Amino acid sequence: NAGVTQTPKFRVLKTGQSMTLLCAQDMNHEYMYWYRQDPGMGLRLIHYSVGEGTTAKGEVPDGYNVSRLKKQNFLLGLESAAPSQTSVYFCASSYGGQGPSEQYFGPGTRLTVT
Amino acid sequence: GENVEQHPSTLSVQEGDSAVIKCTYSDSASNYFPWYKQELGKRPQLIIDIRSNVGEKKDQRIAVTLNKTAKHFSLHITETQPEDSAVYFCAAREGGFQKLVFGTGTRLLVSP
Repeated sequence: NAGVTQTPKFRVLKTGQSMTLLCAQDMNHEYMYWYRQDPGMGLRLIHYSVGEGTTAKGEVPDGYNVSRLKKQNFLLGLESAAPSQTSVYFCASSYGGQGPSEQYFGPGTRLTVT
Repeated sequence: GENVEQHPSTLSVQEGDSAVIKCTYSDSASNYFPWYKQELGKRPQLIIDIRSNVGEKKDQRIAVTLNKTAKHFSLHITETQPEDSAVYFCAAREGGFQKLVFGTGTRLLVSP
């Protein structure tokens, strides 16, 4: 099993450009998440999904959109990139259900917006 | 919503010493508290977790304690080794949701 994978690993964008980050998981997890990690601020939730076709806003959703057309994939889009979106982006997934379950993280995408 | 505070932000110890990282949370309905370790340039990985119906959990050299009344929980690492050097994040699961709220992280440096 590959677990959680992310593409691309690195990307440099100019202000105003758009891009899509792809997250894929092969563990049949119901829930998927997108976080951003900035120095001194920990991991902050951008958007998440509790199942195929569903999405919800997290703590810092502005400037991002997401889609979950297939259970195994969760896409994060930046329509008009800004320097404030320079960050490391992590995708994660976990089992569904009411009880708590471990979140498995992908390797991350380092995005620089100039 | 839930708010998690983590202290200290950096912690330096000598090999063999113990290390303690503390977190507080705000939402009394939170019921699950995981700890993640992130090595430089790597992804966060779960090292231990505790549920709200348990006061303490141990796994070899690491342990987590939870005080629900005071709304704080702590990570204890004994007999630290250089490979324990990493950033450690605590988190709390908001009651009824699968969302985690993370602390801001503690950079642990273990010197040989």
